[in-house]
Amino acid sequence: EPEVTQTPSHQVTQMGQEVILRCVPISNHLYFYWYRQILGQKVEFLVSFYNNEISEKSEIFDDQFSVERPDGSNFTLKIRSTKLEDSAMYFCASGGDRYNEQFFGPGTRLTVL
Amino acid sequence: AQTVTQSQPEMSVQEAETVTLSCTYDTSESDYYLFWYKQPPSRQMILVIRQEAYKQQNATENRFSVNFQKAAKSFSLKISDSQLGDAAMYFCASTTKAAGNKLTFGGGTRVLVKP
Repeated sequence: EPEVTQTPSHQVTQMGQEVILRCVPISNHLYFYWYRQILGQKVEFLVSFYNNEISEKSEIFDDQFSVERPDGSNFTLKIRSTKLEDSAMYFCASGGDRYNEQFFGPGTRLTVL
Repeated sequence: AQTVTQSQPEMSVQEAETVTLSCTYDTSESDYYLFWYKQPPSRQMILVIRQEAYKQQNATENRFSVNFQKAAKSFSLKISDSQLGDAAMYFCASTTKAAGNKLTFGGGTRVLVKP
């Protein structure tokens, strides 16, 4: 059964460093998303991506964040200069239909020291 | 704006018994979808069940069923014949046509299953 994959599973970085989180969505899906979950809190929407551009982004998704689909398979989230409060679980999701269910990857745990 | 509220931080159930998790939502839209996701200790988000707002029939998926009360904006999840593997955080979520495709999540309910 197709699934969303994410790498790395755990990333530790120093404050101020750039990180790139990688995702491989399900191959025939067209809609891609990033969410984050700070430990013990609810899952929060960051950004959605369709047709090679951002379709919606939340207030959290400021200038420090960017997304890219550099080729036909990968979908990346870049944080340019990490802050302590960026420490969270980051989930990638993909969907085949705009209002249908979204399939989540296993997440990347980001720890900023 | 959408809001999703889960009023029960934690629920405990005896193995083989039934537990019901509450969820209320608020939206002014008529076209929306509701979901329950399970998050085990691995923190993977697993879709349990979905409900289209235009469908009156409550969704069921094996031991999982929902009670969708559209007028009350309520969307509860019932887990029947609870198993040890059902122990997890459960998140209620919604998406609306007007909100595009983003999911709005509730705060979650932790389910403990006692053997």
